[in-house]
Amino acid sequence: DGGITQSPKYLFRKEGQNVTLSCEQNLNHDAMYWYRQDPGQGLRLIYYSQIVNDFQKGDIAEGYSVSREKKESFPLTVTSAQKNPTAFYLCASKRSTEAFFGQGTRLTVV
Amino acid sequence: GENVEQHPSTLSVQEGDSAVIKCTYSDSASNYFPWYKQELGKGPQLIIDIRSNVGEKKDQRIAVTLNKTAKHFSLHITETQPEDSAVYFCAASSSNTGTASKLTFGTGTRLQVTL
Repeated sequence: DGGITQSPKYLFRKEGQNVTLSCEQNLNHDAMYWYRQDPGQGLRLIYYSQIVNDFQKGDIAEGYSVSREKKESFPLTVTSAQKNPTAFYLCASKRSTEAFFGQGTRLTVV
Repeated sequence: GENVEQHPSTLSVQEGDSAVIKCTYSDSASNYFPWYKQELGKGPQLIIDIRSNVGEKKDQRIAVTLNKTAKHFSLHITETQPEDSAVYFCAASSSNTGTASKLTFGTGTRLQVTL
């Protein structure tokens, strides 16, 4: 089946640790995106990539990093510099204008 | 940058009634307006979209209207059913060639359809 796979579904992190969220797509889409979702705040853009080996900061990039070494993969690292990382993280890929989302990763800092 | 406002934040309707969710946007260059439905613990799914060269689009029980002059667009759900209960997001983007095509989302509307 074609689609976007995010893993893991749930992730727990101790304060001060970096964690990496995986996002893989087999839709052959060039553009990929990471959003953060908090209650009552909708989806906010963290980073996006229009093409392999290139990415840009979104609206809330501080404390996050990404890489785009392969077309299919766009991992997001939540660093210890992110002061409030507990949230639901959504990855998306885009063909033209339509965006397709993964099922999300819920990250909790313990 | 683009700013999208969405109202109401919560909406409760009885089964069979209609539901309307409204959004406004700020960037006159935006030309693509999708609506997403998100069920609990899942990623958003596209339910309908409209482009700026069209004023209205329908798909069975759902429809979207766009007023470019006023910069607002709305989602209409008729004959609501319990399975319509979810969070709905509007979004806006510009698909102009050469610019980064980013979707800017509204803050969401939690729709509850009661029996």
